Amino acid sequence: DAGVTQSPTHLIKTRGQQVTLRCSPKSGHDTVSWYQQALGQGPQFIFQYYEEEERQRGNFPDRFSGHQFPNYSSELNVNALLLGDSALYLCASRVGRVSSYEQYFGPGTRLTVT
Amino acid sequence: GDSVTQMEGPVTLSEEAFLTINCTYTATGYPSLFWYVQYPGEGLQLLLKATKADDKGSNKGFEATYRKETTSFHLEKGSVQVSDSAVYFCALSDSSNQGGKLIFGQGTELSVKP
Repeated sequence: DAGVTQSPTHLIKTRGQQVTLRCSPKSGHDTVSWYQQALGQGPQFIFQYYEEEERQRGNFPDRFSGHQFPNYSSELNVNALLLGDSALYLCASRVGRVSSYEQYFGPGTRLTVT
Repeated sequence: GDSVTQMEGPVTLSEEAFLTINCTYTATGYPSLFWYVQYPGEGLQLLLKATKADDKGSNKGFEATYRKETTSFHLEKGSVQVSDSAVYFCALSDSSNQGGKLIFGQGTELSVKP
């Protein structure tokens, strides 16, 4: 049973460019959340997708957008990249939106903005 | 708003020593509490969880008890191994936040020496 997978593993972009990160949830999971983890910090919630709609959003600007596909996979898009967007981006999946259900994390995509 | 505070690291212990990592939380509702572990260069793995007051989560020799009266969820292990070296994150997921996003502490780095 494959866990949560993310691609690419690493990415280097220039300030001002746009980037798309991809996530496939664990089998049987229908809810995908994205988190940003800056170096030495805990992950920060970006947004959550369920039934192909954004259901909850953290304190991130509109430059951060996403999408969920009918097969539950998801994309995170970041426009007009800033140096401060350099971080590890983590995707997490779970069944439904019950708060007590654990979320399973992927290995992350390391984004470096130069 | 909801928040999680962990003891600062790094924590350095000798093999077979007793481990405690303190975690306290602030939440408006009735949160579920989690400990996640992050090994170098990897994503987050769920270590244990507790969903209501006085519950004890346990896994791989680690334990944590949900203490509502002290709003705490301290992580303990009786005898640490070198392989336990990692960063540990305490997190909460509150039933009142409409979908259960995770709120993380800043992480505590543990280094176990042989």
